[in-house]
Amino acid sequence: GQQLNQSPQSMFIQEGEDVSMNCTSSSIFNTWLWYKQDPGEGPVLLIALYKAGELTSNGRLTAQFGITRKDSFLNISASIPSDVGIYFCAGQLDAGNMLTFGGGTRLMVKP
Amino acid sequence: EPEVTQTPSHQVTQMGQEVILRCVPISNHLYFYWYRQILGQKVEFLVSFYNNEISEKSEIFDDQFSVERPDGSNFTLKIRSTKLEDSAMYFCASSDRELQPQHFGDGTRLSIL
Repeated sequence: GQQLNQSPQSMFIQEGEDVSMNCTSSSIFNTWLWYKQDPGEGPVLLIALYKAGELTSNGRLTAQFGITRKDSFLNISASIPSDVGIYFCAGQLDAGNMLTFGGGTRLMVKP
Repeated sequence: EPEVTQTPSHQVTQMGQEVILRCVPISNHLYFYWYRQILGQKVEFLVSFYNNEISEKSEIFDDQFSVERPDGSNFTLKIRSTKLEDSAMYFCASSDRELQPQHFGDGTRLSIL
């Protein structure tokens, strides 16, 4: 099946720093999604991307859908302690289809 | 904001027993999904359900698994004879066909003893 490689696996940063994480795939997706998961909870949608090249922001979060449709990145600017959690990318071929998840990036923020 | 709700939050079951995990998707959504996440690992797709039938399933979703939408609001996952390796968080998700992304519940932690 399709595999998503997400990096880095973990990051330990100082509050106020910017963060960047990315996902790459050997095959294309038509939709890229970024989720955040806090301990004991389900993934919460952060950003959805539908077109190759699309750049979308949600507050301090910015994500881009790669031109090749095989990659995506997520940036978090001016990190704060509540940004702590695990960030997952997910790819989808068509609406209604299964999501393929990356392995996650565990973000830790030092106040 | 509407949300996906799952019950119970934690289920402890003896190996070999049947278990039913319940989900109430967002009310106007048409596509329903189950995923699982083994502790410390990535979220894995199990099955998708649309128009009262399975539309896609993964290799994990073998004959021990079944899904049902018994009424207009619930969506259930049944594991007929649980195994130790079925221990995981099980997440239900739903989406609207209009290119809306999937929204997840908070999961059921299934522990098989």
